[in-house]
Amino acid sequence: DTEVTQTPKHLVMGMTNKKSLKCEQHMGHRAMYWYKQKAKKPPELMFVYSYEKLSINESVPSRFSPECPNSSLLNLHLHALQPEDSALYLCASSLEQRSGNTIYFGEGSWLTVV
Amino acid sequence: SQELEQSPQSLIVQEGKNLTINCTSSKTLYGLYWYKQKYGEGLIFLMMLQKGGEEKSHEKITAKLDEKKQQSSLHITASQPSHAGIYLCGADMDAGGTSYGKLTFGQGTILTVHP
Repeated sequence: DTEVTQTPKHLVMGMTNKKSLKCEQHMGHRAMYWYKQKAKKPPELMFVYSYEKLSINESVPSRFSPECPNSSLLNLHLHALQPEDSALYLCASSLEQRSGNTIYFGEGSWLTVV
Repeated sequence: SQELEQSPQSLIVQEGKNLTINCTSSKTLYGLYWYKQKYGEGLIFLMMLQKGGEEKSHEKITAKLDEKKQQSSLHITASQPSHAGIYLCGADMDAGGTSYGKLTFGQGTILTVHP
């Protein structure tokens, strides 16, 4: 089983709303990732968690707040977003944050900010 | 210029034909991944290559990494409509491994297979 589950699949939110994206895996992976993909562009890394600690933050604006409550779950809290933040948000995981470990992606959450 | 150049940008083939997609970098690739994506959906892992000269196959798809670890190719034999989608190469370009997980992706190749 190489499944990374993301919810919701689609989310529409206003610029003053607070919402969260959720990601779950039960593969025993200790590294989890958030990527952002704009339409017709490749994915770009946002955050990496390793053993539930934030390992990489790619200078992401503070309106995006990641959280890793346990080794199976990864959240992305959204607040005061802008329309340009509309994108496909992809969660991924790997056994460890180490070269040679396959990174598996979820189906993504489509976010539209109105 | 892109760190990872993928070509062609799009490819239209007749079912049954063979095809090749290329992924090239001016830097050493410490891990090269191939993924397939349907528009608006997640990335499906195809293969990972790490060693120079490495070649892997799965069903009708073969991926190779050159000896210098700067170029990879994905070859599909006897293409089928189910092969249609966007193919992305992604690479770990960090020698020290401290930024592992920061995959740099090519721009993608849109593959259309006509029945």
